Amino acid sequence: GQNIDQPTEMTATEGAIVQINCTYQTSGFNGLFWYQQHAGEAPTFLSYNVLDGLEEKGRFSSFLSRSKGYSYLLLKELQMKDSASYLCAVKRAAGNKLTFGGGTRVLVKP
Amino acid sequence: GAVVSQHPSRVICKSGTSVKIECRSLDFQATTMFWYRQFPKQSLMLMATSNEGSKATYEQGVEKDKFLINHASLTLSTLTVTSAHPEDSSFYICSASSPGEGYGYTFGSGTRLTVV
Repeated sequence: GQNIDQPTEMTATEGAIVQINCTYQTSGFNGLFWYQQHAGEAPTFLSYNVLDGLEEKGRFSSFLSRSKGYSYLLLKELQMKDSASYLCAVKRAAGNKLTFGGGTRVLVKP
Repeated sequence: GAVVSQHPSRVICKSGTSVKIECRSLDFQATTMFWYRQFPKQSLMLMATSNEGSKATYEQGVEKDKFLINHASLTLSTLTVTSAHPEDSSFYICSASSPGEGYGYTFGSGTRLTVV
């Protein structure tokens, strides 16, 4: 089976930095995704990591350590519009399925 | 980029009736479609995987006779919720295996189903 854990909620101030952690246990790991989801909308792709290290994309960065089963999403220079749920999802080689963590609701305050 | 069109975006139906949700891939062929369900304040739960021209594979605990999936062409997959009940009220989202950004997955815009 798979186990994907991420915090339920985080609160941060506009302009600050927030780091969302995701730990996973899975067999046949074939990559990890981060998505942003606003209420009532479909997830929006943010990042994909398959090798260890940091991937930077503007204000968002994602890190992966396969040996530790750990990833984080870093959001810099937070804006009010960044208030959303952030979903960590693990891809398995078999079947190309994505399994999602419970999601982290981030609230950005002025 | 790849786009998946999902309809309807919202539907309200009476208990006991059936509802069909469509997902169409625009400008690309989706050999595989994933169907998810999401309850309020929860994450996406995979219901089933459909491959064009073959029977869908359902996740454990998902009733295949209640959630009928058809993937008859490379651009269209449908999910029919049969004999819907209030507990089936949820947000249903499809995701197609796709080229381009997204590294293989393009999501539809979702369908909010309310059963009254």
